[in-house]
Amino acid sequence: KQEVTQIPAALSVPEGENLVLNCSFTDSAIYNLQWFRQDPGKGLTSLLLIQSSQREQTSGRLNASLDKSSGRSTLYIAASQPGDSATYLCAVPTWTSNDYKLSFGAGTTVTVRA
Amino acid sequence: DGGITQSPKYLFRKEGQNVTLSCEQNLNHDAMYWYRQDPGQGLRLIYYSQIVNDFQKGDIAEGYSVSREKKESFPLTVTSAQKNPTAFYLCASGTGGYGYTFGSGTRLTVV
Repeated sequence: KQEVTQIPAALSVPEGENLVLNCSFTDSAIYNLQWFRQDPGKGLTSLLLIQSSQREQTSGRLNASLDKSSGRSTLYIAASQPGDSATYLCAVPTWTSNDYKLSFGAGTTVTVRA
Repeated sequence: DGGITQSPKYLFRKEGQNVTLSCEQNLNHDAMYWYRQDPGQGLRLIYYSQIVNDFQKGDIAEGYSVSREKKESFPLTVTSAQKNPTAFYLCASGTGGYGYTFGSGTRLTVV
C-alpha cells in the first residue's frame, strides 16, 4: 500500500525566503507525482505534474524534483510572497488491479509573513 | 475553459434528509472521483467511476451513492445513512497517467 508523507506539517517564513517542501512515498513504482495547492475552503489547484521519467519540472518560481529510487520529491518555491500562503499537497497515483489509486500526503501548511 | 464545476458551494442538510451534490466536467475525462476532506484527516476516496454506467466504492462509501449516466456528470448523494456527513466534498477527474483536476468543492453542514 502506498503511503505518502509530507514534512514539515507547517512552515512559517518571512517574505522573500525560499520555501522547501518535502514529500516521500513508500512504493517507488509510480507513474508520476502531482503537487497541488489548496487555499482555505477552496478546491485543489494543480501546480506541477512530474512524470516518473523526469528529474524535475519548473513553472515560474516553482520547481519540483523527483527521485523515484529514493521515494522523494521536493517542491521549491523561490522568493516567497504572502500570496503563497496555503496548504500544499503531493499526490501519487499507483496502479492497482484495475485502476489508478491516488494517494495523498497530509499536506504542508505554509504561512509567509509580510 | 475546461474544468470541473461543483454545485452548490454550500449545502445544509437536516437530519434524515438525502442531499445531492453536483459535479460536471468538460475535460472529456473518462474517470471521475469523489473525495471527502475532514480537518486533520486529509482526503479520503468515497466513490469513483472509470466509465459511464459503471462505478466502484472507495474507502468510505457507506452512506453515499452515485450515478454515472453521462460522461460529463457524476453526482453524489449523501443519504440519511451517513451519520456524520459534515465535511468538505471534492470532485475530481483525470487519470494517473496524465494527472488530475479538482473542482472547487462543496461544504456540507448538518443543521
